[in-house]
Amino acid sequence: DQQVKQNSPSLSVQEGRISILNCDYTNSMFDYFLWYKKYPAEGPTFLISISSIKDKNEDGRFTVFLNKSAKHLSLHIVPSQPGDSAVYFCAASAYDKIIFGKGTRLHILP
Amino acid sequence: GAGVSQSPSNKVTEKGKDVELRCDPISGHTALYWYRQRLGQGLEFLIYFQGNSAPDKSGLPSDRFSAERTGESVSTLTIQRTQQEDSAVYLCASSWTGASNQPQHFGDGTRLSIL
Repeated sequence: DQQVKQNSPSLSVQEGRISILNCDYTNSMFDYFLWYKKYPAEGPTFLISISSIKDKNEDGRFTVFLNKSAKHLSLHIVPSQPGDSAVYFCAASAYDKIIFGKGTRLHILP
Repeated sequence: GAGVSQSPSNKVTEKGKDVELRCDPISGHTALYWYRQRLGQGLEFLIYFQGNSAPDKSGLPSDRFSAERTGESVSTLTIQRTQQEDSAVYLCASSWTGASNQPQHFGDGTRLSIL
């Protein structure tokens, strides 16, 4: 039973264009959502987060949107850069429990 | 300051042997997590330590898996009688208090290969 789903295993985007990574969740008790980025042979690093009381959070080129009624969040990266090529994990938390999605591999094409 | 440190970075062992993986969290972080990532899969929660509270062991896949933490410092994850399906990257993470709005800081993991 996957509580956090990232339905696209991979995504290819042209450099300079917008990358949109999607995530769906099933548990309405989640109160915080986070995105992590992972390069090969390294641990995930925190990228951006959003509280369930908000619908948007922006940090530089990264924006996370939350649609609570649809239980859906998305990460927008604009403009996409070569260094953005990585695996992106969506995570949802409630109290001290955090659930990760399976990740989406983003390829930025030159 | 130093991040989360894990050792060894790679471990190759024969099926049936015991292995011990180590995690040094960021100093001052009271919450510590272990995860497993199998090839092509997401992060699978194993165990969570928070201060002096009893650990949340709900993610441990079998009784061959155990973990200890000394106070608010080093943690070791032990896998007894390893099986080939234990092959994975084992990731450790820590955070200040474990509250849901606190990002976790990850180590680079231990890549475990069972022959």
